[in-house]
This record gives sequence, structure tokens and C-alpha cells, in this order.
Amino acid sequence: ETGVTQSPTHLIKTRGQQVTLRCSSQSGHNTVSWYQQALGQGPQFIFQYYREEENGRGNFPPRFSGLQFPNYSSELNVNALELDDSALYLCASSLDRGRGDTQYFGPGTRLTVL
Amino acid sequence: SQQGEEDPQALSIQEGENATMNCSYKTSINNLQWYRQNSGRGLVHLILIRSNEREKHSGRLRVTLDTSKKSSSLLITASRAADTASYFCATRLTGAQKLVFGQGTRLTINP
Repeated sequence: ETGVTQSPTHLIKTRGQQVTLRCSSQSGHNTVSWYQQALGQGPQFIFQYYREEENGRGNFPPRFSGLQFPNYSSELNVNALELDDSALYLCASSLDRGRGDTQYFGPGTRLTVL
Repeated sequence: SQQGEEDPQALSIQEGENATMNCSYKTSINNLQWYRQNSGRGLVHLILIRSNEREKHSGRLRVTLDTSKKSSSLLITASRAADTASYFCATRLTGAQKLVFGQGTRLTINP
């Protein structure tokens, strides 16, 4: 157990809808990174939040957005859902932007877009 | 595109045998990490090796890193059924915040 929790576990949405996924980071960690993992693929970096500011972004469109709160928990929001957004969404917490350190992953949220 | 490429994509061995997985990457890295994932669940960190290290051990795991060849290998000795999982290498690029993952090796340990 890493101490990183995510909710919900599973989610089914229809195309065009909006979704919010949540992540609670490990105690003492101030950095949260979000990854998308399509079936049979490795995780792809979406973005990272450090002390409530976005600190790096991968190749994802602006309809993917996020927030980090003062307690360092985080949300991932996806607007105008597309079928290709169906994936496992993973958050990872680390200390100080994860420089050189391990990222601790949560169990993920499985999103299905119909 | 993925930074890391794992080889083989799938590996099936008998319990007790050793399993070796390889990872190649393209650009300069700060460190390389190996993760395990069971049945599409969260990733479990196994071991981290820094760019100035050549070999690291953790229990039944041995990781090597060859920066001149831009490659790493993960050896699991005396495999067990519980080792059945997908294994991913992930590189932290120099100066970057993100981890870049390969597509993984799916390991099956047969009893």
C-alpha cells in the first residue's frame, strides 16, 4: 500500500460528458502527477502539480485540466469526453517534484467512455 | 512516442526459473525505474537506478544500467507465481519532471 488513494474506482460516461477524478497524495508529499494508461500500453504523462501550480504538461489537449489543493490532494478534469479517453487514470505522489525520487502510484480510476 | 522499449513484450517461464527483461531508451536520463503492475491496477515501484550507477540489487531483483548503450535489464531470480504481472521501465529525463514509460513486458510464471 502506497498511501495514495483515488476515487472513484470505476466510472462510465458517454461521449461529450465531463468527468472529475480525485487523488489523495501520500502524507508529506507535495507533488502529484497524473498519467493515462490505455489498454496494453504504458502510462503516458498528462501533467504534474507542485504546491498548487501546474509544473509540466504532456501532450494532452486543454480539455484535460487539473487542480491541486492546499492539502496537496488533486483533481483531474476532462471535458467533452471522447471514446479514446477510455483508459486507466493513475495519479502518483512524490516529494519536491519527484526529482530523483520515487513516485508512489494510486490504484487508478478505470474510465469507460461509451 | 514512448521513450523506453521493453523486450520481450511477453515472457512465460516455469516457477523457479530466472526472468530477464530488457529496456532501451533514447535520450539522456537522470534515473531509470522499474515498476510492476498486476492486472491493470496501480503501479508498484520496484527499484530505482541512477545514471551514475551500473548495478543495483533488491531481494530477488537485480537491475543493470548501461548508459553508453542506453539500456537496462531487470533480472528476477527464483521466480514465483506471484511474480506474474506486467513490468515497466520508466526513465526520468535530465531536467524533466515526468516519468516516461515503455510499453511493458507481460511476465507469466507457470506453476
